[in-house]
Amino acid sequence: KNEVEQSPQNLTAQEGEFITINCSYSVGISALHWLQQHPGGGIVSLFMLSSGKKKHGRLIATINIQEKHSSLHITASHPRDSAVYICAVRRTGAQKLVFGQGTRLTINP
Amino acid sequence: DAGVIQSPRHEVTEMGQEVTLRCKPISGHDYLFWYRQTMMRGLELLIYFNNNVPIDDSGMPEDRFSAKMPNASFSTLKIQPSEPRDSAVYFCASSPPRRFSTGELFFGEGSRLTVL
Repeated sequence: KNEVEQSPQNLTAQEGEFITINCSYSVGISALHWLQQHPGGGIVSLFMLSSGKKKHGRLIATINIQEKHSSLHITASHPRDSAVYICAVRRTGAQKLVFGQGTRLTINP
Repeated sequence: DAGVIQSPRHEVTEMGQEVTLRCKPISGHDYLFWYRQTMMRGLELLIYFNNNVPIDDSGMPEDRFSAKMPNASFSTLKIQPSEPRDSAVYFCASSPPRRFSTGELFFGEGSRLTVL
């Protein structure tokens, strides 16, 4: 079993819909990251969380340390939000990030 | 700030050839990482450096892979000889020391390698 599991693997929605992408992990962590990767493009760090919730524009990320779970929400989704969203965790006491397999999001106009 | 700069963006080569990928980290960042991304395995850490010194190379797949960081502003990842299974996107990322404790990374655009 992977240490970081994302769901769903693929998600297609209509413009304007509220989107939720989930990330569960099985190890103790010092931080969790949400990354965005557009087709053929580089990787951009969206959020870095160790507790609670962060918001940036239409994006909201939450984390529940006790349940070892994080969610990334997108409100009023837009076709330009179409990308792969990757969850990554840094294990407590370790230097490396462990990555989920990613969630491919497609927003249709 | 220019961001992390990688070259080449795309490389197509034949099996057995040497491949060299290059990376310029963000100025002032003390940590540099090389990642490989494939459809099957997602993102994998190959090696990372701190102050130009390799710290953890346990992700380097085999002796055909080598990485160097001769100075704070330049790193190379070399594959010799290359094989078709090395085809992937190779990302370089850097991180400043004050943020490293939680692992925030700044990624380059990636180098897409195809080995025929």
